[in-house]
Amino acid sequence: KQEVTQIPAALSVPEGENLVLNCSFTDSAIYNLQWFRQDPGKGLTSLLLIQSSQREQTSGRLNASLDKSSGRSTLYIAASQPGDSATYLCAAPNSGGYQKVTFGTGTKLQVIP
Amino acid sequence: EAQVTQNPRYLITVTGKKLTVTCSQNMNHEYMSWYRQDPGLGLRQIYYSMNVEVTDKGDVPEGYKVSRKEKRNFPLILESPSPNQTSLYFCASSLRGNSYEQYFGPGTRLTVT
Repeated sequence: KQEVTQIPAALSVPEGENLVLNCSFTDSAIYNLQWFRQDPGKGLTSLLLIQSSQREQTSGRLNASLDKSSGRSTLYIAASQPGDSATYLCAAPNSGGYQKVTFGTGTKLQVIP
Repeated sequence: EAQVTQNPRYLITVTGKKLTVTCSQNMNHEYMSWYRQDPGLGLRQIYYSMNVEVTDKGDVPEGYKVSRKEKRNFPLILESPSPNQTSLYFCASSLRGNSYEQYFGPGTRLTVT
């Protein structure tokens, strides 16, 4: 069974700082890993989907990497802004023919002006 | 506009009164899924469907039913709701299985008294 862990659970940084969010998973036989953003009381917005063959995926100030061998993914946010304040979730699919998806519990990010 | 819609967005009901939460997508996606989100537990998958008439249990299926009679719709049925099913529910879809990017609906906040 896939287990996904995100550490830290919460993070507070000053505006302008570069930061890294971590995601660890136990089942490394995955095709991809997806990062989401969730604003309070809202749904999930997809940020990046990184395929196992890509190792990295970029969108604007966001960069996600995937290292299957170590069971880790990181989301790098450059030049953080107060509008980046949200909870960031990663999700990894289960392997072995099971079409399940397992989410981490998220990292709540606060960017202080 | 490509989207996943859920109805109702908010629902307060009483123990034992059957209810249905609807989910619809207009992207011709084969894969649809239901999640519940609870504080400290994150998002957990309830049921998923690979295509019409094909459904399977996620990690927390007890107390829920689903059906997939049409490709675009995937309703979540609570035959006899209990207070422990009070939660925030999300529907999601992807093109084909858990190796594709997932798109989420806005969520349904359910309170069972």
